[in-house]
Amino acid sequence: DGGITQSPKYLFRKEGQNVTLSCEQNLNHDAMYWYRQDPGQGLRLIYYSQIVNDFQKGDIAEGYSVSREKKESFPLTVTSAQKNPTAFYLCASSMTGNSEIPYEQYFGPGTRLTVT
Amino acid sequence: GESVGLHLPTLSVQEGDNSIINCAYSNSASDYFIWYKQESGKGPQFIIDIRSNMDKRQGQRVTVLLNKTVKHLSLQIAATQPGDSAVYFCAEEAGGTSYGKLTFGQGTILTVHP
Repeated sequence: DGGITQSPKYLFRKEGQNVTLSCEQNLNHDAMYWYRQDPGQGLRLIYYSQIVNDFQKGDIAEGYSVSREKKESFPLTVTSAQKNPTAFYLCASSMTGNSEIPYEQYFGPGTRLTVT
Repeated sequence: GESVGLHLPTLSVQEGDNSIINCAYSNSASDYFIWYKQESGKGPQFIIDIRSNMDKRQGQRVTVLLNKTVKHLSLQIAATQPGDSAVYFCAEEAGGTSYGKLTFGQGTILTVHP
C-alpha cells in the first residue's frame, strides 16, 4: 500500500518543548515538503527538499528545522522558538521534474499539534 | 494572532447541479496550477492540474479553466454529489527558481445538499 504516512495524528506538548513530527513515503519520490495549515487558511510552505541531504526554507521556516538523511523520510522539528506552533501540519511528496515538467504533490493525512 | 473560525468563501448547491469554484491568483509568472480537495481533518487530495500553455483541461466530472489575462482559475464539477462536499484549494507554482514551491489560495467550502 503506497503512500505518505504521518505520525502521530494528534500530538500534545507543553510550551517550551521541542517536538518532532514524522513523515515517511514509499512512493520513491525525490522531493518532500512540509506545510502548516491554520483554521480558515490555505497551506503555507515551511521547508522543502528536492533531494537527499539538501533542503530549502519555505515561506515560514522560522522556528522549524528539518533533516533529509534518507529519501523516504523528512522529519520536521518544531522548536521552542516557534511563537505559535499549534496548527495542522501536512507533509507532501512529489517526483522531481523541472520547471518545464512540474509534478503534482501528494499529501499525507496530517498531524494536529497542540501546544499549551 | 491566528484567525479563529472559518471565513472562507462558500458555495452551496443541490445534488446533481453543476458547481463552479473560482480562484484569483496573484503571480503573473505562475505557470502551473493545481486544484486540491480537502475533507475535514484530512490531507489535500489532488483533483486536476493545468499548465499555463493550456486554457482548459478536463478530467472525470471536473474541468479546469485558466484565464491568464485576468489571472483567474476555475474548477467546474459536473453533477455534483454529496461526496464532493469539502474545501477546495487552488495552488500555483511559478517555476524557475520557485520550482516546487506551491502557493495556496484561501480555499472555498463546497456544500452539496441531497
